[in-house]
Amino acid sequence: DTGVSQDPRHKITKRGQNVTFRCDPISEHNRLYWYRQTLGQGPEFLTYFQNEAQLEKSRLLSDRFSAERPKGSFSTLEIQRTEQGDSAMYLCASRPQGFGNTIYFGEGSWLTVV
Amino acid sequence: QKEVEQDPGPLSVPEGAIVSLNCTYSNSAFQYFMWYRQYSRKGPELLMYTYSSGNKEDGRFTAQVDKSSKYISLFIRDSQPSDSATYLCAMSGQGGSEKLVFGKGTKLTVNP
Repeated sequence: DTGVSQDPRHKITKRGQNVTFRCDPISEHNRLYWYRQTLGQGPEFLTYFQNEAQLEKSRLLSDRFSAERPKGSFSTLEIQRTEQGDSAMYLCASRPQGFGNTIYFGEGSWLTVV
Repeated sequence: QKEVEQDPGPLSVPEGAIVSLNCTYSNSAFQYFMWYRQYSRKGPELLMYTYSSGNKEDGRFTAQVDKSSKYISLFIRDSQPSDSATYLCAMSGQGGSEKLVFGKGTKLTVNP
Protein backbone atom coordinates (compact mmCIF):
# COMPACT_ATOMS: atom_id res chain seq x y z
CA ASP A 1 0.00 0.00 0.00
CA THR A 2 1.60 3.27 -1.11
CA GLY A 3 -1.00 5.63 0.36
CA VAL A 4 -0.73 7.89 3.39
CA SER A 5 -0.35 5.74 6.49
CA GLN A 6 -1.47 6.77 9.97
CA ASP A 7 -0.90 5.10 13.31
CA PRO A 8 -2.64 4.31 15.58
CA ARG A 9 -6.00 4.14 13.88
CA HIS A 10 -7.85 4.33 17.17
CA LYS A 11 -6.81 5.68 20.55
CA ILE A 12 -8.81 5.93 23.78
CA THR A 13 -7.16 7.97 26.48
CA LYS A 14 -8.04 9.47 29.80
CA ARG A 15 -8.37 13.21 30.15
CA GLY A 16 -5.05 14.80 31.00
CA GLN A 17 -2.90 12.17 29.29
CA ASN A 18 -0.62 12.87 26.34
CA VAL A 19 -1.12 11.18 22.98
CA THR A 20 1.00 11.04 19.85
CA PHE A 21 -0.06 10.21 16.30
CA ARG A 22 2.28 9.28 13.47
CA CYS A 23 1.86 9.90 9.77
CA ASP A 24 3.89 8.43 6.92
CA PRO A 25 3.12 10.36 3.73
CA ILE A 26 3.18 9.03 0.19
CA SER A 27 6.77 8.50 -0.84
CA GLU A 28 8.40 11.60 -2.37
CA HIS A 29 5.55 13.89 -1.29
CA ASN A 30 7.35 16.83 0.24
CA ARG A 31 4.22 18.53 1.57
CA LEU A 32 2.40 17.16 4.59
CA TYR A 33 -0.77 18.37 6.31
CA TRP A 34 -2.68 17.70 9.51
CA TYR A 35 -6.43 18.22 9.73
CA ARG A 36 -8.98 17.52 12.45
CA GLN A 37 -12.53 16.34 11.82
CA THR A 38 -15.38 16.08 14.30
CA LEU A 39 -18.70 14.31 13.70
CA GLY A 40 -20.91 16.09 11.20
CA GLN A 41 -18.21 18.57 10.22
CA GLY A 42 -15.72 18.84 7.40
CA PRO A 43 -11.99 18.57 8.11
CA GLU A 44 -10.37 21.66 9.64
CA PHE A 45 -6.81 22.62 8.84
CA LEU A 46 -4.27 22.38 11.66
CA THR A 47 -0.81 22.70 10.15
CA TYR A 48 1.36 22.22 7.06
CA PHE A 49 4.96 21.16 6.44
CA GLN A 50 7.10 21.58 3.39
CA ASN A 51 9.90 19.09 3.89
CA GLU A 52 10.91 19.54 7.53
CA ALA A 53 9.77 23.17 7.81
CA GLN A 54 6.44 23.92 9.47
CA LEU A 55 5.20 26.78 7.30
CA GLU A 56 1.60 27.29 8.34
CA LYS A 57 -0.32 26.79 11.58
CA SER A 58 -3.97 27.30 12.37
CA ARG A 59 -5.22 29.15 15.43
CA LEU A 60 -6.87 25.79 16.24
CA LEU A 61 -3.40 24.49 17.06
CA SER A 62 -3.28 25.52 20.70
CA ASP A 63 -0.11 25.36 22.77
CA ARG A 64 -1.10 21.83 23.84
CA PHE A 65 -0.62 20.65 20.25
CA SER A 66 2.75 20.21 18.63
CA ALA A 67 3.66 18.75 15.28
CA GLU A 68 7.05 17.78 13.91
CA ARG A 69 8.52 16.41 10.74
CA PRO A 70 12.16 16.00 11.74
CA LYS A 71 13.69 14.61 8.56
CA GLY A 72 11.11 15.69 6.06
CA SER A 73 9.60 12.22 5.87
CA PHE A 74 7.18 11.02 8.58
CA SER A 75 5.43 13.43 10.93
CA THR A 76 4.10 13.26 14.49
CA LEU A 77 1.26 15.17 16.10
CA GLU A 78 1.32 15.28 19.89
CA ILE A 79 -1.51 16.46 22.10
CA GLN A 80 -0.57 17.19 25.69
CA ARG A 81 -2.99 17.21 28.62
CA THR A 82 -5.86 15.95 26.49
CA GLU A 83 -9.35 17.36 27.01
CA GLN A 84 -12.70 15.86 26.04
CA GLY A 85 -13.00 18.48 23.31
CA ASP A 86 -9.96 16.95 21.62
CA SER A 87 -12.03 13.88 20.71
CA ALA A 88 -12.00 13.82 16.91
CA MET A 89 -10.46 12.16 13.90
CA TYR A 90 -6.99 13.45 13.12
CA LEU A 91 -6.26 13.27 9.41
CA CYS A 92 -2.90 13.44 7.72
CA ALA A 93 -2.53 14.27 4.05
CA SER A 94 0.28 14.80 1.59
CA ARG A 95 0.99 16.01 -1.92
CA PRO A 96 3.99 16.39 -4.19
CA GLN A 97 5.38 19.76 -5.14
CA GLY A 98 3.81 21.43 -8.15
CA PHE A 99 0.58 19.41 -8.29
CA GLY A 100 -1.99 22.11 -7.73
CA ASN A 101 -3.59 22.12 -4.34
CA THR A 102 -5.04 18.61 -4.32
CA ILE A 103 -4.03 16.59 -1.30
CA TYR A 104 -4.37 12.89 -0.53
CA PHE A 105 -5.62 11.84 2.88
CA GLY A 106 -4.83 8.88 5.06
CA GLU A 107 -7.50 6.89 6.86
CA GLY A 108 -7.25 9.01 9.97
CA SER A 109 -6.56 8.41 13.64
CA TRP A 110 -9.60 8.39 15.89
CA LEU A 111 -9.10 9.88 19.33
CA THR A 112 -11.57 9.42 22.17
CA VAL A 113 -10.84 11.25 25.41
CA VAL A 114 -12.76 9.86 28.40
CA GLN B 1 -21.25 33.62 7.58
CA LYS B 2 -19.01 30.60 7.11
CA GLU B 3 -16.51 30.71 4.27
CA VAL B 4 -18.00 27.58 2.69
CA GLU B 5 -21.63 26.56 3.01
CA GLN B 6 -22.86 23.07 2.17
CA ASP B 7 -26.26 21.56 2.88
CA PRO B 8 -25.62 18.54 5.11
CA GLY B 9 -28.70 16.71 3.85
CA PRO B 10 -29.28 13.84 4.27
CA LEU B 11 -30.11 13.20 0.63
CA SER B 12 -31.77 9.94 -0.38
CA VAL B 13 -32.27 8.95 -4.04
CA PRO B 14 -33.18 5.79 -5.96
CA GLU B 15 -30.53 3.90 -7.88
CA GLY B 16 -30.00 5.37 -11.34
CA ALA B 17 -30.99 8.92 -10.35
CA ILE B 18 -28.96 12.00 -11.19
CA VAL B 19 -27.60 13.55 -8.02
CA SER B 20 -26.79 17.22 -7.67
CA LEU B 21 -24.60 18.42 -4.81
CA ASN B 22 -23.49 21.98 -4.32
CA CYS B 23 -21.60 24.48 -2.20
CA THR B 24 -21.50 28.24 -1.97
CA TYR B 25 -18.58 30.27 -0.73
CA SER B 26 -17.84 33.82 0.26
CA ASN B 27 -14.11 34.25 -0.38
CA SER B 28 -13.49 35.40 -3.95
CA ALA B 29 -9.78 34.54 -3.56
CA PHE B 30 -10.45 30.80 -3.83
CA GLN B 31 -8.96 29.40 -7.04
CA TYR B 32 -8.86 25.63 -6.54
CA PHE B 33 -12.02 23.62 -6.04
CA MET B 34 -12.25 19.98 -5.06
CA TRP B 35 -14.79 17.32 -4.23
CA TYR B 36 -13.96 14.53 -1.84
CA ARG B 37 -15.96 11.40 -1.04
CA GLN B 38 -15.83 10.03 2.49
CA TYR B 39 -17.15 6.67 3.59
CA SER B 40 -18.05 6.17 7.21
CA ARG B 41 -14.99 6.24 9.50
CA LYS B 42 -12.60 6.53 6.54
CA GLY B 43 -10.42 9.34 5.27
CA PRO B 44 -11.67 11.60 2.45
CA GLU B 45 -10.94 10.39 -1.07
CA LEU B 46 -10.31 12.90 -3.86
CA LEU B 47 -12.96 12.72 -6.59
CA MET B 48 -12.66 15.84 -8.70
CA TYR B 49 -10.36 18.83 -8.94
CA THR B 50 -11.01 22.05 -10.86
CA TYR B 51 -8.94 25.17 -11.21
CA SER B 52 -10.90 28.41 -11.58
CA SER B 53 -14.24 28.42 -13.43
CA GLY B 54 -15.58 25.81 -15.81
CA ASN B 55 -16.69 22.21 -16.07
CA LYS B 56 -14.82 18.97 -15.68
CA GLU B 57 -16.12 15.50 -16.40
CA ASP B 58 -14.78 12.15 -15.23
CA GLY B 59 -16.92 9.12 -15.95
CA ARG B 60 -20.23 9.53 -14.14
CA PHE B 61 -19.04 12.63 -12.29
CA THR B 62 -19.18 16.25 -13.48
CA ALA B 63 -17.86 19.19 -11.49
CA GLN B 64 -18.90 22.75 -12.25
CA VAL B 65 -17.48 25.99 -10.90
CA ASP B 66 -19.16 29.37 -11.31
CA LYS B 67 -16.86 31.91 -9.72
CA SER B 68 -19.14 34.83 -10.60
CA SER B 69 -21.84 33.31 -8.40
CA LYS B 70 -19.39 31.72 -5.93
CA TYR B 71 -21.15 28.40 -6.49
CA ILE B 72 -19.77 24.94 -7.20
CA SER B 73 -21.61 21.74 -8.07
CA LEU B 74 -21.00 18.03 -8.40
CA PHE B 75 -23.31 15.92 -10.53
CA ILE B 76 -23.42 12.13 -10.32
CA ARG B 77 -25.13 10.35 -13.20
CA ASP B 78 -26.60 6.85 -12.97
CA SER B 79 -26.07 6.81 -9.22
CA GLN B 80 -25.20 3.47 -7.61
CA PRO B 81 -25.61 2.17 -4.05
CA SER B 82 -21.80 2.24 -3.82
CA ASP B 83 -22.00 6.04 -4.21
CA SER B 84 -23.61 6.21 -0.76
CA ALA B 85 -21.19 8.33 1.25
CA THR B 86 -20.62 11.86 2.50
CA TYR B 87 -19.48 14.30 -0.18
CA LEU B 88 -17.26 17.17 0.89
CA CYS B 89 -16.50 20.25 -1.15
CA ALA B 90 -13.15 21.95 -0.51
CA MET B 91 -11.43 25.01 -1.85
CA SER B 92 -8.18 26.88 -1.50
CA GLY B 93 -5.85 29.40 -3.04
CA GLN B 94 -6.33 32.40 -0.82
CA GLY B 95 -3.16 34.45 -0.54
CA GLY B 96 -0.84 31.56 -1.25
CA SER B 97 -2.12 29.59 1.75
CA GLU B 98 -1.95 25.81 1.51
CA LYS B 99 -5.06 25.50 3.66
CA LEU B 100 -8.09 23.72 2.24
CA VAL B 101 -11.42 25.02 3.53
CA PHE B 102 -14.09 22.34 3.60
CA GLY B 103 -17.85 22.37 3.67
CA LYS B 104 -19.67 20.30 6.27
CA GLY B 105 -20.37 17.54 3.79
CA THR B 106 -23.61 16.18 2.32
CA LYS B 107 -24.62 12.66 3.32
CA LEU B 108 -25.96 10.77 0.29
CA THR B 109 -27.79 7.46 0.28
CA VAL B 110 -28.55 5.69 -3.00
CA ASN B 111 -31.26 3.11 -2.52
CA PRO B 112 -31.26 -0.09 -4.63
